[in-house]
Amino acid sequence: QKEVEQDPGPLSVPEGAIVSLNCTYSNSAFQYFMWYRQYSRKGPELLMYTYSSGNKEDGRFTAQVDKSSKYISLFIRDSQPSDSATYLCAMGPSQGGSEKLVFGKGTKLTVNP
Amino acid sequence: DAGVTQSPTHLIKTRGQQVTLRCSPKSGHDTVSWYQQALGQGPQFIFQYYEEEERQRGNFPDRFSGHQFPNYSSELNVNALLLGDSALYLCASSFGNPPSGYTFGSGTRLTVV
Repeated sequence: QKEVEQDPGPLSVPEGAIVSLNCTYSNSAFQYFMWYRQYSRKGPELLMYTYSSGNKEDGRFTAQVDKSSKYISLFIRDSQPSDSATYLCAMGPSQGGSEKLVFGKGTKLTVNP
Repeated sequence: DAGVTQSPTHLIKTRGQQVTLRCSPKSGHDTVSWYQQALGQGPQFIFQYYEEEERQRGNFPDRFSGHQFPNYSSELNVNALLLGDSALYLCASSFGNPPSGYTFGSGTRLTVV
């Protein structure tokens, strides 16, 4: 079983739709959880950072962490064509308090005008 | 405020050659991590440098080595290049424990022919 599982999609939605992106993980040692957005041939850009369980909202983006279920989500409200990108979940630390990030494979999202 | 800067942006090398990639961290960051991202995959952790020492290493062979300089910039060296080393190499910088987030550069796209 991989440490982090993420549905690679692709996901295609109309403009204005609510988008839900999800990851599951197996390592209960993870303490902080991130969502990155990556445009084609660019580096990942940090969208949301959450420490431990709970919800965090930033504009149109909401991140949820459920440590009991080992499940994290990113919701995008009123999606825009500019949101079209690959979304990567990442989490850490893992074994022995290491700070390396473990990423999902990424979900490719297309928002159609 | 400059973010993470990586050079070069693109590189083509022949099998068996050696390559050096460079990274300047975001201002105020003292920790540099390197990741390899194959096409369609999430980034994979190579190693992390802090205070000019390798603090942690992922599951990569010894052909991959690095260095961190007193100004916190870093280099990634890969010897005896294989076709499978073709990927986007990402540098991420951070500060603090736990870090408040990792800032990624745009990456160096390495093609091995």
